[in-house]
Amino acid sequence: DTEVTQTPKHLVMGMTNKKSLKCEQHMGHRAMYWYKQKAKKPPELMFVYSYEKLSINESVPSRFSPECPNSSLLNLHLHALQPEDSALYLCASSPPPAGYGYTFGSGTRLTVV
Amino acid sequence: QKEVEQNSGPLSVPEGAIASLNCTYSDRGSQSFFWYRQYSGKSPELIMFIYSNGDKEDGRFTAQLNKASQYVSLLIRDSQPSDSATYLCAANGGATNKLIFGTGTLLAVQP
Repeated sequence: DTEVTQTPKHLVMGMTNKKSLKCEQHMGHRAMYWYKQKAKKPPELMFVYSYEKLSINESVPSRFSPECPNSSLLNLHLHALQPEDSALYLCASSPPPAGYGYTFGSGTRLTVV
Repeated sequence: QKEVEQNSGPLSVPEGAIASLNCTYSDRGSQSFFWYRQYSGKSPELIMFIYSNGDKEDGRFTAQLNKASQYVSLLIRDSQPSDSATYLCAANGGATNKLIFGTGTLLAVQP
């Protein structure tokens, strides 16, 4: 079993909906990440939190809003998404810096209709 | 632009053969390098990491690093059909918390 838990595993939402993706880890990692992955493409970094503070935002549209309530939890709030936002959303964690590599969660498969 | 480059494949090898996957990187400040395996529809799984020049072995897997040539490779001995997946090479982005991923190489092991 992965040590980074993502919920839900699948999500279908309309373009006017508001939904949230959740990620939880209990490995004591202090850096957490959101990635987006389209089919046959590598993961694309969206956000990095380090010690619960947002340290990197890769110019992600404001319809994606991250939140890190504590060192174990990471949320991604979604609002007014477009069909092209349909993708696999991956959460990962690592002990900062990322020199030890990431542990990925199993992902949320998002479909925007 | 800091990049990690891989041949997208597919790389087809017969069962029992050695599969050789290659990767180059552009940022000389990168210190650590990773190989992830990703099955279709699943999330990436870390299988090897390497920091020092030379070889690092773990079971059927050997990672090789040549910092002078900015080259990383992964050898899979006795390839099995279950090894069929996309292999992502990644490098850490210097002192940041970013991993920079290559585009991945699709490996197909033929029974």
